[in-house]
Amino acid sequence: KQEVTQIPAALSVPEGENLVLNCSFTDSAIYNLQWFRQDPGKGLTSLLLIQSSQREQTSGRLNASLDKSSGRSTLYIAASQPGDSATYLCAVMGGGATNKLIFGTGTLLAVQP
Amino acid sequence: GAGVSQSPRYKVAKRGQDVALRCDPISGHVSLFWYQQALGQGPEFLTYFQNEAQLDKSGLPSDRFFAERPEGSVSTLKIQRTQQEDSAVYLCASSLVVGTGGSYEQYFGPGTRLTVT
Repeated sequence: KQEVTQIPAALSVPEGENLVLNCSFTDSAIYNLQWFRQDPGKGLTSLLLIQSSQREQTSGRLNASLDKSSGRSTLYIAASQPGDSATYLCAVMGGGATNKLIFGTGTLLAVQP
Repeated sequence: GAGVSQSPRYKVAKRGQDVALRCDPISGHVSLFWYQQALGQGPEFLTYFQNEAQLDKSGLPSDRFFAERPEGSVSTLKIQRTQQEDSAVYLCASSLVVGTGGSYEQYFGPGTRLTVT
């Protein structure tokens, strides 16, 4: 059974710092991995999607990497801003017909001005 | 609207009541998913539709939970005889079904926060 773990559970950094969020998964047979952002009381906003054949994806100040063989992904946020404060979730999509996402429990990020 | 919409956004039910939660997916999206998110946890899969066919309901926690998508667009998640442990945010997501090499990216609605008292 696929399990997804995110470390740390919470992180507080001063504005301007670069930071890394970690995600690990137990079954390397995934179709893709997505990073989401969730603001309090809101739904999920997709940040980056990495196909299983890819090593990384970049969008603005965000860079996500994927090492499928070791079951790890990282989300790198450069020059953090208070507006980046949110919960960050990673999710893997396994093989099979359903394409359901299996989520980690998230990292709560607070960027202090 | 361009995104996934859900209604109501908030629902308070007394234990034992039935509730119905609605999801309007992005127009043209064939796949529709329901997830349940307990406080402080990541979302957990409940059920999946491809058009009107419910292909996977392995995540539904009990037979009190029922989902339908009769015309292949709007979906309703119904919970009968609600219990306190049903309190959670219920998220709906939709995606295109594409051929080999497609991203299968899922787009999420804002969720319905259900509180059972």
